[in-house]
Amino acid sequence: GAVVSQHPSWVICKSGTSVKIECRSLDFQATTMFWYRQFPKQSLMLMATSNEGSKATYEQGVEKDKFLINHASLTLSTLTVTSAHPEDSSFYICSAQGGARNTGELFFGEGSRLTVL
Amino acid sequence: AQSVSQHNHHVILSEAASLELGCNYSYGGTVNLFWYVQYPGQHLQLLLKYFSGDPLVKGIKGFEAEFIKSKFSFNLRKPSVQWSDTAEYFCAVNAGRTGGFKTIFGAGTRLFVKA
Repeated sequence: GAVVSQHPSWVICKSGTSVKIECRSLDFQATTMFWYRQFPKQSLMLMATSNEGSKATYEQGVEKDKFLINHASLTLSTLTVTSAHPEDSSFYICSAQGGARNTGELFFGEGSRLTVL
Repeated sequence: AQSVSQHNHHVILSEAASLELGCNYSYGGTVNLFWYVQYPGQHLQLLLKYFSGDPLVKGIKGFEAEFIKSKFSFNLRKPSVQWSDTAEYFCAVNAGRTGGFKTIFGAGTRLFVKA
């Protein structure tokens, strides 16, 4: 299957700082990338849909100014958590789909665990 | 809006027992259906998927799922589980290209298989 890589896998930051998480599709061109947030013992909550070269579409209740998403190329999307607060601590997962035979299947990154002190 | 409901949050089975995890979705149009699995310490990966055709879909590791359109269900089954099947299982749905491939997940079911 296709490979999606996230970096960093774990980050600790101070309250008020910004953190950038990268999501790369390593062996295919991802026309669409999705960012999810997973709370402990809960399911994945879709935060936003990111299409290459256009603005991300955010889900209801997700602050676009807080969670900046950039999809500058077909292999890279970034999520920046701005002015992070402890309540932003969570597990963030990106997924991608695309390629020549786009079937709607998602390929997931390893996830990034953010801890805000 | 689409939604996905998984009936069991936690399931504990002994090895060789049969497994069935329930999944129901709400969406009026054509859907693509998926089961993803997350093994301890690993990232999510696809177990099986249904787009069209035979409603009985076979996936990896002996898993299968049956799409019953009239019941809006896509239950996951395995006749005989193994200890290595211990994982969290997520049912997911998207509306394909019509819906921008936006995929919604169920709450997940944690399966623990006793050796």
